[in-house]
Amino acid sequence: DAKTTQPTSMDCAEGRAANLPCNHSTISGNEYVYWYRQIHSQGPQYIIHGLKNNETNEMASLIITEDRKSSTLILPHATLRDTAVYYCIVRVDTNAGKSTFGDGTTLTVKP
Amino acid sequence: DADVTQTPRNRITKTGKRIMLECSQTKGHDRMYWYRQDPGLGLRLIYYSFDVKDINKGEISDGYSVSRQAQAKFSLSLESAIPNQTALYFCATSDPDRGADNEQFFGPGTRLTVL
Repeated sequence: DAKTTQPTSMDCAEGRAANLPCNHSTISGNEYVYWYRQIHSQGPQYIIHGLKNNETNEMASLIITEDRKSSTLILPHATLRDTAVYYCIVRVDTNAGKSTFGDGTTLTVKP
Repeated sequence: DADVTQTPRNRITKTGKRIMLECSQTKGHDRMYWYRQDPGLGLRLIYYSFDVKDINKGEISDGYSVSRQAQAKFSLSLESAIPNQTALYFCATSDPDRGADNEQFFGPGTRLTVL
């Protein structure tokens, strides 16, 4: 599976959009981009995934560049409860067993 | 009730002791996983199982063993615990029949301390 690079930490004001970047320059054509988050030592929680089209669900939006070498997770109106570590993972669709959770981005939402 | 449960939630033990961490799931998923997480770091895969008869080593399997007793149960054992196995351990499940939608569902974690 392709390796990802994320900033170590980011801050965001409450109510504003949080944009979390992820670089995956070695991504292969059959690899998806998945995002999870982990709130204070709880089990990680799935957020969203995509292949090449932008995706949106009730939690977030995922923007994938046309060359698929990077992506951005967008939390449209961040709340204090969104403070967490966010992990960007790249893998083929059936290969969850080899998902590599790197160090992720610690997002702190401030009042 | 939680879909993925782990027992115990917290455990303190001594070096050399045998420890078993248990994971149960009610999601009906074939695939189960064990991860460990060290402070400030991401998750590392220890073992994974694609079905009851299929067990695979992850990136850090040394010092650990697993048992898939049934589709719903996947146990992790530390045969002789050592202090650097002190960590937060997570169990997870996924359903390969969902294709790209097979996100992983994680348990609440077991905090293990080896003195």
